[in-house]
Amino acid sequence: DQQVKQNSPSLSVQEGRISILNCDYTNSMFDYFLWYKKYPAEGPTFLISISSIKDKNEDGRFTVFLNKSAKHLSLHIVPSQPGDSAVYFCAASRSGGYQKVTFGTGTKLQVIP
Amino acid sequence: EAGVTQFPSHSVIEKGQTVTLRCDPISGHDNLYWYRRVMGKEIKFLLHFVKESKQDESGMPNNRFLAERTGGTYSTLKVQPAELEDSGVYFCASSASPGGSNSPLHFGNGTRLTVT
Repeated sequence: DQQVKQNSPSLSVQEGRISILNCDYTNSMFDYFLWYKKYPAEGPTFLISISSIKDKNEDGRFTVFLNKSAKHLSLHIVPSQPGDSAVYFCAASRSGGYQKVTFGTGTKLQVIP
Repeated sequence: EAGVTQFPSHSVIEKGQTVTLRCDPISGHDNLYWYRRVMGKEIKFLLHFVKESKQDESGMPNNRFLAERTGGTYSTLKVQPAELEDSGVYFCASSASPGGSNSPLHFGNGTRLTVT
């Protein structure tokens, strides 16, 4: 049972435009959400996170939006750059104590120069 | 600060053989995790150590997998005997506090295991 779903396996965007990556979750107990970025032959690296008490968190070109009622979050990258080309994983966990992090299947983003 | 290191980076073994993967977490990180990604699928949780103790091993597929973290430093993950479906990339991650809201996970580059 996949609790974190990324339904788009891939996305192509022109350099300078906006990239929007989507993620849905099914476990209503999740209250903390993260995005990780992964380059080939490397491990995932933390990008940005959001707590369920917020609906938006921004860090430079990256913004994550959370819609709790829809159990949906999205990552916006503006403007997209060729170096952003990577696989992006959505992840979720419960806060407090020893809670494991549950990952999605990833979306491969290609930013075309 | 040295990152999480994993060894080997690649391993090709035959079905029925044994393989041992090693992970050295970031120094001082009490929390160590093993994850696995099978081609195109999610990064799936295997288990979580807090120091030398197994906090959560609910993701371990079966008793062919054995993880240890003697002394609370590096960890090993042994697969014995290996089966074809064990192929995938095994990631190790560490964090100072329990992962998720407390602190992000720091991942190693993974070990790509191929069972033929």
